[in-house]
Amino acid sequence: AQSVTQPDIHITVSEGASLELRCNYSYGATPYLFWYVQSPGQGLQLLLKYFSGDTLVQGIKGFEAEFKRSQSSFNLRKPSVHWSDAAEYFCAVGALIGNEKLTFGTGTRLTIIP
Amino acid sequence: EPEVTQTPSHQVTQMGQEVILRCVPISNHLYFYWYRQILGQKVEFLVSFYNNEISEKSEIFDDQFSVERPDGSNFTLKIRSTKLEDSAMYFCASRGQGATEQYFGPGTRLTVT
Repeated sequence: AQSVTQPDIHITVSEGASLELRCNYSYGATPYLFWYVQSPGQGLQLLLKYFSGDTLVQGIKGFEAEFKRSQSSFNLRKPSVHWSDAAEYFCAVGALIGNEKLTFGTGTRLTIIP
Repeated sequence: EPEVTQTPSHQVTQMGQEVILRCVPISNHLYFYWYRQILGQKVEFLVSFYNNEISEKSEIFDDQFSVERPDGSNFTLKIRSTKLEDSAMYFCASRGQGATEQYFGPGTRLTVT
């Protein structure tokens, strides 16, 4: 069965600092990997995805993520965070075949301090 | 930009009552999903729907749940007899043919009292 682990429940960073959110997945084959962001009271917005090709993927809002098969990781990064990045971030894995239900991690809450 | 919409944004119901949560997926999408998120917990898959039938469902999706695409545009989730533990945010998502990503609606917060 597929699973996702986000080891950091809550991260606080200063505005302008760099950010890395960790995600580890478990899946029997090559997965589809996603990062979604959820602002308070809002739905889930897709930040970026990976399913093949270049292991460094670019997303919206200046985010990027790197797929490392050897480490079963798909960490999200941003070189300089903005106060508006404060939100909950979810990593998710989907199957390559079938109807691709998504399995989500427990999320990482990001707080930005001035 | 096309988006998934959901109504209502917030539904309060009494235990034992039936509720219907409505979703309008992106118009040319063919795959539809319901997920839920209990407060403070992760988003959980409930059911996927394609070609007018359920493709996959989770253990959560028991006999009190049903889904329907009644008119070619709406996609509904019905809970026949709500329980306190059904209180959650329910998200609808859709995916296009050949695409990998799912697009989520803003959610319906269901409160069962």
